[in-house]
Amino acid sequence: NAGVTQTPKFRVLKTGQSMTLLCAQDMNHEYMYWYRQDPGMGLRLIHYSVGEGTTAKGEVPDGYNVSRLKKQNFLLGLESAAPSQTSVYFCASSPPPDHSGNTIYFGEGSWLTVV
Amino acid sequence: SQQGEEDPQALSIQEGENATMNCSYKTSINNLQWYRQNSGRGLVHLILIRSNEREKHSGRLRVTLDTSKKSSSLLITASRAADTASYFCATDRGSNYKLTFGKGTLLTVNP
Repeated sequence: NAGVTQTPKFRVLKTGQSMTLLCAQDMNHEYMYWYRQDPGMGLRLIHYSVGEGTTAKGEVPDGYNVSRLKKQNFLLGLESAAPSQTSVYFCASSPPPDHSGNTIYFGEGSWLTVV
Repeated sequence: SQQGEEDPQALSIQEGENATMNCSYKTSINNLQWYRQNSGRGLVHLILIRSNEREKHSGRLRVTLDTSKKSSSLLITASRAADTASYFCATDRGSNYKLTFGKGTLLTVNP
């Protein structure tokens, strides 16, 4: 049972390069998320999607773009990488919340270094 | 901005002892969740407590919620070395699905 799978796990980029982080989930979840985790900052929401073909900005969207062309996939793009985007990126997914909220399922993380 | 703030930032105890971590938040919530993160891994959901609940148990975990004080605590009883991890509280701030995470408490359980 794979759950949420992120690729690549590690990547080093030069400033100005572009790349795409891939996320796939096999739980048929409607909602998907991209978070970044930095030391001393906790997790911050970059973008999220509440269904196929939809995306929305989170807390720290600048410098990132996303696409949700298929329900099971959520792509995070960096068009022109900057050192400030050095971070650990987590993809997550969840079913639609019920009246009590929802549980989010996380991938294992992608370590990105921009030099 | 951070909604939840965990306290303490780091906690070191001996195996068999209880560990208590606290979380404070600023605005009203629908529910509060606790997650665990082992070093180098993703976050794993532990427990969810609704705003109309005061206490919840799951195995060796006990969570309390005091909405009047906007705070929650996570108690891990009879801790084990395998409990060594970072623990995060997460609140929904009304959206019910866009969780806001605190900075976490790093728990070290020494064998």
